Amino acid sequence: KQEVTQIPAALSVPEGENLVLNCSFTDSAIYNLQWFRQDPGKGLTSLLLIQSSQREQTSGRLNASLDKSSGRSTLYIAASQPGDSATYLCAVRPSNRSNFGNEKLTFGTGTRLTIIP
Amino acid sequence: NAGVTQTPKFRVLKTGQSMTLLCAQDMNHEYMYWYRQDPGMGLRLIHYSVGEGTTAKGEVPDGYNVSRLKKQNFLLGLESAAPSQTSVYFCASSYSSRQASPLHFGNGTRLTVT
Repeated sequence: KQEVTQIPAALSVPEGENLVLNCSFTDSAIYNLQWFRQDPGKGLTSLLLIQSSQREQTSGRLNASLDKSSGRSTLYIAASQPGDSATYLCAVRPSNRSNFGNEKLTFGTGTRLTIIP
Repeated sequence: NAGVTQTPKFRVLKTGQSMTLLCAQDMNHEYMYWYRQDPGMGLRLIHYSVGEGTTAKGEVPDGYNVSRLKKQNFLLGLESAAPSQTSVYFCASSYSSRQASPLHFGNGTRLTVT
């Protein structure tokens, strides 16, 4: 059974610093990996989706990388801002060879990020 | 563009009571999902639907029922609420399940069962 781990559970960083969030998974047979952001009392917002054939995806100050062989993904946030404060979750979708879809996503429990002004 | 809308936002039930949570999406998505989020456990899939008139069980379906009578709506029912069903419930939708299709989430329903 796939397990997704995000360590640390919480992280505080001064404004302006670059930071890295980690996501590890136990089964490397994945189709894609998604990073989400969740603000308090809100739903999840999809940030980046990396296909298994890709190494990284970028959107603005965010860069997500994927290393399937080691079962790891990182989310890099450049020049952090107070508005980046939120919980960041990753989710892994298993290999598509069995036609599994989003219903087979396994979520991590998230890293709660606080950017200190 | 409303995206995914969940009603109600909050609800308190007594053990044994029933209720229905409504999810509506305006993106013409085929796939819809109900999750629950509990501290330290991540999101867990309750039920999902791959199209109008279809439903399927997820990881934690016991105690819940669902219906998808219209493409844009996905209802989650609790027939006899239990304290273990105290949680935050999220609805999500996606255009396709087989392709790389990101999930779009609603803002959640916080349910407390006393």
